[in-house]
Amino acid sequence: GESVGLHLPTLSVQEGDNSIINCAYSNSASDYFIWYKQESGKGPQFIIDIRSNMDKRQGQRVTVLLNKTVKHLSLQIAATQPGDSAVYFCAENSGYSTLTFGKGTMLLVSP
Amino acid sequence: ETGVTQTPRHLVMGMTNKKSLKCEQHLGHNAMYWYKQSAKKPLELMFVYNFKEQTENNSVPSRFSPECPNSSHLFLHLHTLQPEDSALYLCASSRTSGIRLSSYNEQFFGPGTRLTVL
Repeated sequence: GESVGLHLPTLSVQEGDNSIINCAYSNSASDYFIWYKQESGKGPQFIIDIRSNMDKRQGQRVTVLLNKTVKHLSLQIAATQPGDSAVYFCAENSGYSTLTFGKGTMLLVSP
Repeated sequence: ETGVTQTPRHLVMGMTNKKSLKCEQHLGHNAMYWYKQSAKKPLELMFVYNFKEQTENNSVPSRFSPECPNSSHLFLHLHTLQPEDSALYLCASSRTSGIRLSSYNEQFFGPGTRLTVL
């Protein structure tokens, strides 16, 4: 079946670096995407979303890029901080009320 | 922190036990969700309730029985579970379900219950 997946299970960066986390999706009908952050011992937390009529959306220190041609989504975190260490995963929606989630990428930020 | 609380945070049970997970949201939302998060699989939706009515059952085995007495409370009753049911069970709530998703209808997650089935 169609699914959302992540390319890298673990990403290690130095504090202050920019981080890029990637996500591939296969459902061409998906038109809404969300990035979540999940810290240890906590539930997922909404970070930023994007609709398929956009290819870029910026938040505070985060940017989501959507490439519909290759069905690719990325999350860029500027000036990564130790508090950014967490699992990040994407989710897609194709018009119904439910989301399909990716497996997640662990981001490790070293001081 | 998120306005969604779950109890207990950790639960160990045998395969013949009966236990219940509880979720409560203090956000005035009308939709509540149960998710399963396993180590080797993506987050999986189990059940959706909207205005206390179950609107989605994602082919979940009958050994998991949800209950939603009101829009603020959601339970997951467990009986005769298997070791492969060990996972983190997450509850979430949103303003409503069944409409086009957006940040307006963002789902807020609780911290989860870590379940171990022996």
